[in-house]
Amino acid sequence: EIVLTQSPGTLSLSPGESATLSCRASQSLSSSYLAWYQQKPGQAPRLLIFGGSSRATGIPDRFSGGGSGTDFTLTISRLEPEDIAVYYCQQSGSAPRTFGQGTKLEIK
Amino acid sequence: QVQLVQSGAEVKKPGSSVKVSCKASGDTFRGFAFSWVRQAPGQGLEWVGTIVPVFNKIDYAQRFLGRVTITADSSTSTAYLDLSSLRSEDTAVYYCARDKCGPRGDCHHFDYWGQGTLVTVSS
Repeated sequence: EIVLTQSPGTLSLSPGESATLSCRASQSLSSSYLAWYQQKPGQAPRLLIFGGSSRATGIPDRFSGGGSGTDFTLTISRLEPEDIAVYYCQQSGSAPRTFGQGTKLEIK
Repeated sequence: QVQLVQSGAEVKKPGSSVKVSCKASGDTFRGFAFSWVRQAPGQGLEWVGTIVPVFNKIDYAQRFLGRVTITADSSTSTAYLDLSSLRSEDTAVYYCARDKCGPRGDCHHFDYWGQGTLVTVSS
């Protein structure tokens, strides 16, 4: 099983700053199978990034994904109050499909 | 517009079973795969299983084997999750999600999600 470890656990930043979220896999995986999701309180998750770096429909270009092998990142530039959420990475390259434990983003 | 509408909240006794439905709008269903993901209170996301109807393929997470059944009815554009021998640890919100898969049935990510169904297991 591929374990995805996200860091930091919580990130507290001010509006306008940039956030860098990390997702480290216990084994190398193709970026084609790495996705990022945003979950706001009381809501279902929403797809942000798929294939490691492709934005989903309707996602602003402030959100970008990158990385390869075992290290992947989600960058959120020009933070806005509406970005408050928990962000999860997820892999489908190896069974079972797994999620990271999440990074909680707080806006000061 | 893609919409996945799930059935309502359930309260079940330990040892019983629950069946949750997920109805897809329009032509959202045919040719797509569907997965179930659950989230225990205050916890992260956990994949339960995936059904790929066009390939007659179903995969389940190991920890649910023997207790879970995922089915799909293309005539009603509805996917189902059946979980038996319920225990308190199964208390969670269960989400269905549409799966984006390749031509060989390898699925990549969940592009649309239902609103979630809270299943509470309590005596």
